[in-house]
Amino acid sequence: QTVVTQEPSLTVSPGGTVTLTCASSTGAVTSGYYPNWFQQKPGQVPRALIYSTSNRHSWTPARFSGSLLGGKAALTLSAVQPEDEADYYCLLYYGGAWVFGGGTKVTVL
Amino acid sequence: EVQLVESGGGLVQPGGSLKLSCAASGFTFSGSTMHWVRQASGKGLEWVGHIRSKPKNYATAYAESVKGRFTISRDDSENTAYLQMNSLKPEDTAVYYCTRQDDTIDYWGQGTLVTVSS
Repeated sequence: QTVVTQEPSLTVSPGGTVTLTCASSTGAVTSGYYPNWFQQKPGQVPRALIYSTSNRHSWTPARFSGSLLGGKAALTLSAVQPEDEADYYCLLYYGGAWVFGGGTKVTVL
Repeated sequence: EVQLVESGGGLVQPGGSLKLSCAASGFTFSGSTMHWVRQASGKGLEWVGHIRSKPKNYATAYAESVKGRFTISRDDSENTAYLQMNSLKPEDTAVYYCTRQDDTIDYWGQGTLVTVSS
């Protein structure tokens, strides 16, 4: 069974930068996995942030950027704002099926 | 404005069945792939499955955890996607969301709660 792994939690200071990663049990993550990233705040519906590795949706602030880093998909939050405190999920495509990572809880402190 | 509205959730006994609906508006439903995603209370997101559009033969795919028990269908004339859930287990208890994929997975519904308990 395919497992997608994210850091369980990360802490960042306001104005700082933090990078979240998304690894696949099958090997290196490439653009062919079409990495997506979603943000979910408590009590809210998930919101799409990034698709196909590095493309922002029209509503995604420029401080969110996606990339491939060391065989993983990555989401970098720059100039972090207090409202960026949330759970972040990656989603990878496995040629028919999709698998979410376990999520990363980002605390802004 | 894109809108996705799930309905049909509720309390069901283990071994029972339930059918969820996802009513869509504000976009060309027939051209979109529709996904179902669930989230147990306090847990992460789990992709349940999807159904592609007519040009892609309404192809479906499912997570291993629901394969053989859940079936996704759609009615393009009603702009609605469905999730038929059979042989329900307590571990299927979750909020179920539908999402659309046009070129990207973008809009989500508000979700409907399914509770499997005796």
